[in-house]
Amino acid sequence: SQTIHQWPATLVQPVGSPLSLECTVEGTSNPNLYWYRQAAGRGLQLLFYSVGIGQISSEVPQNLSASRPQDRQFILSSKKLLLSDSGFYLCAWRAGGWAGELFFGEGSRLTVL
Amino acid sequence: GNSVTQMEGPVTLSEEAFLTINCTYTATGYPSLFWYVQYPGEGLQLLLKATKADDKGSNKGFEATYRKETTSFHLEKGSVQVSDSAVYFCALSDPTSGTYKYIFGTGTRLKVLA
Repeated sequence: SQTIHQWPATLVQPVGSPLSLECTVEGTSNPNLYWYRQAAGRGLQLLFYSVGIGQISSEVPQNLSASRPQDRQFILSSKKLLLSDSGFYLCAWRAGGWAGELFFGEGSRLTVL
Repeated sequence: GNSVTQMEGPVTLSEEAFLTINCTYTATGYPSLFWYVQYPGEGLQLLLKATKADDKGSNKGFEATYRKETTSFHLEKGSVQVSDSAVYFCALSDPTSGTYKYIFGTGTRLKVLA
């Protein structure tokens, strides 16, 4: 069966520090992968999605970036965090087929101080 | 562009009450529609989905019908339980756009009191 894991689960970082959140999917190949951010009391904002290795689409201009170095690995990064980067980050993968649903990881809570 | 609009919460109900959470959408193609649920501190879980007009998705006593004429996908449950307390998200995916992007509503928090 397919599984998705994110880490770290919780992160507290000072403003200006770098960020790396990792996401790995197991049990499937060539999945579509997504990074969403959920700010406190708000909905989900799509940040990046990827349809294959090295293929990244950015939805919102910001100081975050994403990379997909391997088929089932998706990384969210920043060189210098801002206070506004605080939030709950969710990685997801899409099941196959034109009507496939998203499956989400457990989430990573980032607090920037 | 595509969008999803949900009723604002929080929604507070007594146990065994009837639940409706409204969701309407705007899409240029033929979207699939989803309801997800998020429990505190967790990721989102798929609750149900519908892929074409008049389809009814159902799971765990929850139901939603894909209404193309009113562009709606309202979530209903006949008798809520305390364990249903969570945030509910309506979402759409429009594969005809070729990008497989998923658009989510802002979420509706449900609190069920014993």
